Amino acid sequence: QSALTQPASVSGSPGQSITISCTGTSSDIGAYSYVSWCQQHPGKAPKVMIYDVTNRPSGVSNRFSASKSGNTASLTISGLQAEDEAHYYCSSYTTSSTVIFGGGTKLTVL
Amino acid sequence: EVQLLESGGGLVQPGGSLRLSCAASGFTFSSYGMSWVRQAPGKGLEWVSGISGSGVITYYADSVKGRFTISRDNSKNTPYLQMNSLRAEDTAVYHCAKHHGFYPYHGFDIWGQGTVVTVSS
Repeated sequence: QSALTQPASVSGSPGQSITISCTGTSSDIGAYSYVSWCQQHPGKAPKVMIYDVTNRPSGVSNRFSASKSGNTASLTISGLQAEDEAHYYCSSYTTSSTVIFGGGTKLTVL
Repeated sequence: EVQLLESGGGLVQPGGSLRLSCAASGFTFSSYGMSWVRQAPGKGLEWVSGISGSGVITYYADSVKGRFTISRDNSKNTPYLQMNSLRAEDTAVYHCAKHHGFYPYHGFDIWGQGTVVTVSS
């Protein structure tokens, strides 16, 4: 099964909002509400920002929000801050009883 | 505080075996599914295997099916990954991750720091 499709990079200025898309198929994102988003700084472990499409774990800023429409999920970061610069990965459960990740998006804060 | 601490990584020759462990704390371990996810050097994330809270249901990526076995000991709050017939392409940092529900199809909500596995002669 192919990876979920994410843009390789996005960028934004401090204070702005950006959205990262994650496109799958009717066999993964379109089939279930089990999409997660994680943030990874260089050399660090991933940190979950969103689970089950729209839910934020305790301690994650409400500047992070997410949604899903059809086969595409989206992560929006509002009020961009320098510390948000990182790689972001989406993931989804699939009808093959596996979990699939996106290729990752590098966010640059200008 | 929820914590996941992996161990068991190291250098192993092709064809060899390793067993990874992940010490979990800060939550009711048996109530949550767990997964192993790996990241090869300079690459993205790849899900490897998942297990339900009871340990009855297990899932595997095609790339490791038949070589890797996931299990858990709920009395020790620890999931394991037994890796056999290791190949160079299995070289990666292996993270354990907690799911937000009993089954390993719920989204992830916590990740561990990872343990490094290097397969080389």
